[in-house]
Amino acid sequence: GQNIDQPTEMTATEGAIVQINCTYQTSGFNGLFWYQQHAGEAPTFLSYNVLDGLEEKGRFSSFLSRSKGYSYLLLKELQMKDSASYLCAAMDSNYQLIWGAGTKLIIKP
Amino acid sequence: SQTIHQWPATLVQPVGSPLSLECTVEGTSNPNLYWYRQAAGRGLQLLFYSVGIGQISSEVPQNLSASRPQDRQFILSSKKLLLSDSGFYLCAWSDRPTGANVLTFGAGSRLTVL
Repeated sequence: GQNIDQPTEMTATEGAIVQINCTYQTSGFNGLFWYQQHAGEAPTFLSYNVLDGLEEKGRFSSFLSRSKGYSYLLLKELQMKDSASYLCAAMDSNYQLIWGAGTKLIIKP
Repeated sequence: SQTIHQWPATLVQPVGSPLSLECTVEGTSNPNLYWYRQAAGRGLQLLFYSVGIGQISSEVPQNLSASRPQDRQFILSSKKLLLSDSGFYLCAWSDRPTGANVLTFGAGSRLTVL
């Protein structure tokens, strides 16, 4: 079956760095997405990886290893506004998105 | 620029009552449209998607239905709500079905069935 695994919750300190991991098992693969979702709001797009390696976008970076079925989202210089859930989603061979349950990130001062 | 509107934002409905959630997109033509449901502690569940007027694909058999009467309008309906229909419903659009298929979501509709 198809599956996405990511930690349920993580805690980090303001100004620090945090890495949120995601492993996936899909029928075929057409890319890996990360979305940010603040409580009670809609998800917003953060990143898309389809090739192995690291994509950097400001304070946020996303990494993909297709051979390992693994991705991570790296958040640097954490700010209080980064407190949110981070959703990992993999696109299968039919271009359908398989979503993880999300990782709730709590930032402490 | 493109915008997506979804309403109502919240609603409380009794079991057995009907449902209608509406979603419209502005600033683009022939978008791919999606209805998702998000339950607490679970991933987004795709309910319906549409690639054009009158073209609806259902991903999960249930008592919900969707319609696309106009190019940029997508409606989620039910004739009789169940308790299990409670959740956060999200409409989304994208401009391509494959590859970097970035979804833009509406603000969501929180449904509580009592």
